[in-house]
Amino acid sequence: GQQVMQIPQYQHVQEGEDFTTYCNSSTTLSNIQWYKQRPGGHPVFLIQLVKSGEVKKQKRLTFQFGEAKKNSSLHITATQTTDVGTYFCAAYSGAGSYQLTFGKGTKLSVIP
Amino acid sequence: DGGITQSPKYLFRKEGQNVTLSCEQNLNHDAMYWYRQDPGQGLRLIYYSQIVNDFQKGDIAEGYSVSREKKESFPLTVTSAQKNPTAFYLCASSFDREVWNQPQHFGDGTRLSIL
Repeated sequence: GQQVMQIPQYQHVQEGEDFTTYCNSSTTLSNIQWYKQRPGGHPVFLIQLVKSGEVKKQKRLTFQFGEAKKNSSLHITATQTTDVGTYFCAAYSGAGSYQLTFGKGTKLSVIP
Repeated sequence: DGGITQSPKYLFRKEGQNVTLSCEQNLNHDAMYWYRQDPGQGLRLIYYSQIVNDFQKGDIAEGYSVSREKKESFPLTVTSAQKNPTAFYLCASSFDREVWNQPQHFGDGTRLSIL
């Protein structure tokens, strides 16, 4: 089945530093979704990217979808303690598929 | 408020026992999903259902069973055949009527442990 590889697995940053997590696939993705899971919580949908080369911003978060639609990244500028959690990328297995495959996530720790 | 309700929040299973996790949604979503989350493993799909009275196996269906008798409900049974059931179980739903790439909305989860 489809796999999405996510790196790094863990990231520790000082508050105010930037953070980036990367998601890669060996196959072309129809779209990619990003979720955030706070410690002890459940995943919450952040955004979906569909178009080749698409860039979307949500305040300090910037999401990119690669030109070949095989990779994506989430960049957080000037991290805050509220950014702590695990960030997952996820992609549907193909057109018409209802199976969403998640990356293993990047766990972000922010040191105040 | 619309949402997904999972119960119980914590559940303990004895050896050889079947247990059922509840998932109810009032979002009028067509599709519902069950995931298992282990530390460092991300989310793995157990079963999903696109419509009432129909469901499909995910990547790790062995030792689990589901039913979808009502649109709002998608209970998961962890059977005694599941030898390593200790995990965090998440139920999700999405509005899938003829549009397949929808975001998923998650419940708060159930933590299952072996006694």
